[in-house]
Amino acid sequence: AQKITQTQPGMFVQEKEAVTLDCTYDTSDPSYGLFWYKQPSSGEMIFLIYQGSYDQQNATEGRYSLNFQKARKSANLVISASQLGDSAMYFCAMRGRSWGKLQFGAGTQVVVTP
Amino acid sequence: EAGVAQSPRYKIIEKRQSVAFWCNPISGHATLYWYQQILGQGPKLLIQFQNNGVVDDSQLPKDRFSAERLKGVDSTLKIQPAKLEDSAVYLCASSNKGQTEADTQYFGPGTRLTVL
Repeated sequence: AQKITQTQPGMFVQEKEAVTLDCTYDTSDPSYGLFWYKQPSSGEMIFLIYQGSYDQQNATEGRYSLNFQKARKSANLVISASQLGDSAMYFCAMRGRSWGKLQFGAGTQVVVTP
Repeated sequence: EAGVAQSPRYKIIEKRQSVAFWCNPISGHATLYWYQQILGQGPKLLIQFQNNGVVDDSQLPKDRFSAERLKGVDSTLKIQPAKLEDSAVYLCASSNKGQTEADTQYFGPGTRLTVL
């Protein structure tokens, strides 16, 4: 069985600062994918970044980067230079074997302050 | 490129009534998903379609929930009869192929259901 754990229910961060959102996972699948999504108050889930379990390098997408530590089973999201528009709920998710369902964590609420 | 479309955006019904949600995936996406997201939780998969066939409906409460994707494009999720605990946001997502762990799912705006 797969499990995603996000231990930070909420965080405050000042504008222009960097913030790290923690995510740990557990799976017995030899190959898996890790995803981060952003959910603003409007409700839509917005895809941010993807990391494959066999990728040699950490994924980056603009101001988002994923700190992937396979041995520790962690996939932390780093948001650099936070903006007010980054205030949202952030979900870590994992997908294992082919056709496997996307398993989500409980999410971390981020509030960016001026 | 148009994203995933869902309607309605909001719905309020009395318990024991029926309700239906509609989803139109991104053009060309073979795989369609319905998720239920209860307040304060991450989304939970209800059903996954590959074209017009069901891949996974293991967490769909089949005594009251049904879903179809007859022509392999848009889909309808129905609840009949609704219970108070069905109050949630229902999210539809689609992905290109569905069979690899790298397949990214793109979500629609969701339908917020309130059951009174």
